[in-house]
Amino acid sequence: DGGITQSPKYLFRKEGQNVTLSCEQNLNHDAMYWYRQDPGQGLRLIYYSQIVNDFQKGDIAEGYSVSREKKESFPLTVTSAQKNPTAFYLCASSTGVRETQYFGPGTRLLVL
Amino acid sequence: AQSVAQPEDQVNVAEGNPLTVKCTYSVSGNPYLFWYVQYPNRGLQFLLKYITGDNLVKGSYGFEAEFNKSQTSFHLKKPSALVSDSALYFCAVRENYGGSQGNLIFGKGTKLSVKP
Repeated sequence: DGGITQSPKYLFRKEGQNVTLSCEQNLNHDAMYWYRQDPGQGLRLIYYSQIVNDFQKGDIAEGYSVSREKKESFPLTVTSAQKNPTAFYLCASSTGVRETQYFGPGTRLLVL
Repeated sequence: AQSVAQPEDQVNVAEGNPLTVKCTYSVSGNPYLFWYVQYPNRGLQFLLKYITGDNLVKGSYGFEAEFNKSQTSFHLKKPSALVSDSALYFCAVRENYGGSQGNLIFGKGTKLSVKP
């Protein structure tokens, strides 16, 4: 987990609310990723960014949005359009898209 | 489409015995394969990877993996299991082509339980 921080550790969302998950890295990595983990389904890619000010949709981008204004930061917003947001969210980074990805400690999102 | 399968949801091993966690893959071109471990409520930790070269790859915490091209497998192994190895293990393959080149495709994970 070293070098990649995610906050908060737990997050509660009310109906119709947008919430933002933070991901910061001090590894000087160019690429960053967001995954969603559900029990028994492994990890699914939400969004990824290869460089600052650029990002691409992953396999399950609907109901989510991201920004990449700084190299160190890649926040994920779970919008009200995401009808089933309860999951464990993992951020990762790598020196480049072809390199080994390293993961943060995760944020667990729960719906009230 | 590229994919990875972990055929066992759970593997049970006695402490001190060898362990194997299975992974098979389907890729176009040369495979780039990874193993990660996840402890409860934590992020994934990188264990090892195969890019090219020797078919036996050594990684962290005494783990190793054997790449077998003919069987399209990349099984994770350890000669002597520890109770502390109990965790969720993920195999992953890297996309080699197309717009999502470089992205990882993960298996569904295998829960390893090591009993004293």
